[in-house]
Amino acid sequence: TQLLEQSPQFLSIQEGENLTVYCNSSSVFSSLQWYRQEPGEGPVLLVTVVTGGEVKKLKRLTFQFGDARKDSSLHITAAQPGDTGLYLCAGRGQNFVFGPGTRLSVLP
Amino acid sequence: EPEVTQTPSHQVTQMGQEVILRCVPISNHLYFYWYRQILGQKVEFLVSFYNNEISEKSEIFDDQFSVERPDGSNFTLKIRSTKLEDSAMYFCASSGWSWGTDTQYFGPGTRLTVL
Repeated sequence: TQLLEQSPQFLSIQEGENLTVYCNSSSVFSSLQWYRQEPGEGPVLLVTVVTGGEVKKLKRLTFQFGDARKDSSLHITAAQPGDTGLYLCAGRGQNFVFGPGTRLSVLP
Repeated sequence: EPEVTQTPSHQVTQMGQEVILRCVPISNHLYFYWYRQILGQKVEFLVSFYNNEISEKSEIFDDQFSVERPDGSNFTLKIRSTKLEDSAMYFCASSGWSWGTDTQYFGPGTRLTVL
């Protein structure tokens, strides 16, 4: 069974700080997606990464797919309270699996 | 912007009853999915559907579950005899052209409560 681990599980930071959250697996994924989920709502896609080593930027968010396509990171620069939420990674391997998420809280 | 819609937003049912959860995927999408998320737990894949048949399913998707695309727009998940442990948020998703690297767009979910 392919599993995705995410760290940290919880993160609370002050507005303006930078942060990185991680998504790791021992398995190779053909693609990996990052989502943000608000309570009681469906996941909303942020980015899809496909190529090992790929880096994608979305405003203050930078996503990287590991060279071996087993891991990924999400870096947020100058975090804002609006970034608060649950960040999920999900990967396509044998099946489509989600990580447990990192719950981010950005305090004003 | 096109979006996936789901009805109802909340369904309450008695144990043993049948429920049908409905989804309207994005209109030109070809791949459809159901996921569930038990409260406080991670999102779990249930099933994918393409060309009017199931393309993949997880261990969770047992004989109590079925999916159907009864017309050109709706995609349904049926649970034949609900159990207490079926209580969860159920998310429908759709994607355009491939199972895997293509972007999956999620609906807002149906909260199923089994009493």
